[in-house]
Amino acid sequence: QVQLVQSGGEVKKPGASVKVSCKTSGYIFTSYEIVWVRQAPGQGLEWMGWISAYSGNTKNAQSLQDRLILTTDTSTSTAYMELRSLRSDDTAVYYCARVLNFGDFVSFGYWGQGTLVTVSS
Amino acid sequence: SSELTQDPAVSVALGQTVRITCQGDSLRTYYASWYQQKPGQAPVLVNYDKNRRPSGIPDRFSGSSSGNTASLTIAGAQAEDEAAYYCNTRHSSGNHVVFGGGTKLTVL
Repeated sequence: QVQLVQSGGEVKKPGASVKVSCKTSGYIFTSYEIVWVRQAPGQGLEWMGWISAYSGNTKNAQSLQDRLILTTDTSTSTAYMELRSLRSDDTAVYYCARVLNFGDFVSFGYWGQGTLVTVSS
Repeated sequence: SSELTQDPAVSVALGQTVRITCQGDSLRTYYASWYQQKPGQAPVLVNYDKNRRPSGIPDRFSGSSSGNTASLTIAGAQAEDEAAYYCNTRHSSGNHVVFGGGTKLTVL
């Protein structure tokens, strides 16, 4: 079965960077896009960006354009999300998700368990 | 602010039908997807495209769209349907995605 398993929670200081991993299994990694979504405490879902596991092409939300780096390692079927220059309002649970069908950018059928990133001095 | 607008909260009596709506200009062009999220859990896709359900999602969850409004209807709401529901769709400007602010559904 399709599984996405994320790395553990992180505590970072303002200005630092964080890198969250999302290890996938149960399907052909390069056949589907991976997206990243975050949720601040008590708030709604925010789309951060997506990456094609086939080509490595990415698209970031405009609000995160300069700070977000999405990558994949096809040898381990793992996706990575790196966020730089962290601020307190980046405190959130970060989710990776796999699109349900290839090329469908908005239907996220499989989700990781979430990774809490806390930014605090 | 979200470019998709949802009512913050909706309630429904057990066994009754409830409609959760999502409004935005992008919905004139693209279908919405709908997610259910219970506290402390990752979201779950419950409806997408033109009223399609992923495997395992009960058929009481149905989706529809008219003009700039997408709707998720739960027919015969169950206690386990109490959750937050989010819509999303492709942004009209390109390959970006936008989420609605979410609707908290209470089953009375």
